[in-house]
Amino acid sequence: NAGVMQNPRHLVRRRGQEARLRCSPMKGHSHVYWYRQLPEEGLKFMVYLQKENIIDESGMPKERFSAEFPKEGPSILRIQQVVRGDSAAYFCASSPPDRQNTEAFFGQGTRLTVV
Amino acid sequence: AQSVAQPEDQVNVAEGNPLTVKCTYSVSGNPYLFWYVQYPNRGLQFLLKYITGDNLVKGSYGFEAEFNKSQTSFHLKKPSALVSDSALYFCASSMDTGRRALTFGSGTRLQVQP
Repeated sequence: NAGVMQNPRHLVRRRGQEARLRCSPMKGHSHVYWYRQLPEEGLKFMVYLQKENIIDESGMPKERFSAEFPKEGPSILRIQQVVRGDSAAYFCASSPPDRQNTEAFFGQGTRLTVV
Repeated sequence: AQSVAQPEDQVNVAEGNPLTVKCTYSVSGNPYLFWYVQYPNRGLQFLLKYITGDNLVKGSYGFEAEFNKSQTSFHLKKPSALVSDSALYFCASSMDTGRRALTFGSGTRLQVQP
């Protein structure tokens, strides 16, 4: 059973370009979470999705950021018109449905560098 | 609202000595508490969790944590540290109702000296 798969592992974008980060959850997991980690800091929640639904996006910046988790395919975190401050590690986590107390499993992250 | 505090940015301990990494939490309901470890340029690995029941929770790699409701703490411990335990440790919480996403502490870097 493969773990949470994120790609790419490293992404370099110029200011103003778009960044697309992909996350395939563990098999059987229908809940996906995106977190952002700035250097030497903890993880900050961005968005929580279930298949075809955004459940909680309270941590997502209102502009330029969007996320989706379609019925088929991976979850996508999209950042439009990237700026230097978007440089960070973006982690995806997944968990099974209907179990509030289960731990989330994390991918290895995508390290975004904006130049 | 919930918050998690890790008061120490770094903990240094000699190999073979016991280690403690501190965590306190603030939640309005019943918390679920977790410890994760992060090695350089890697994702987070789950160590252990407290949901309910025994206050002493045993996890991976010989780690354990004690839930203390009166002190709102969930300190991570290990009786005998290894050099390979050197990593970044995160305490996190979620709620038994409502928001499922994890709230993380700022992390504590554990350095185990040979």
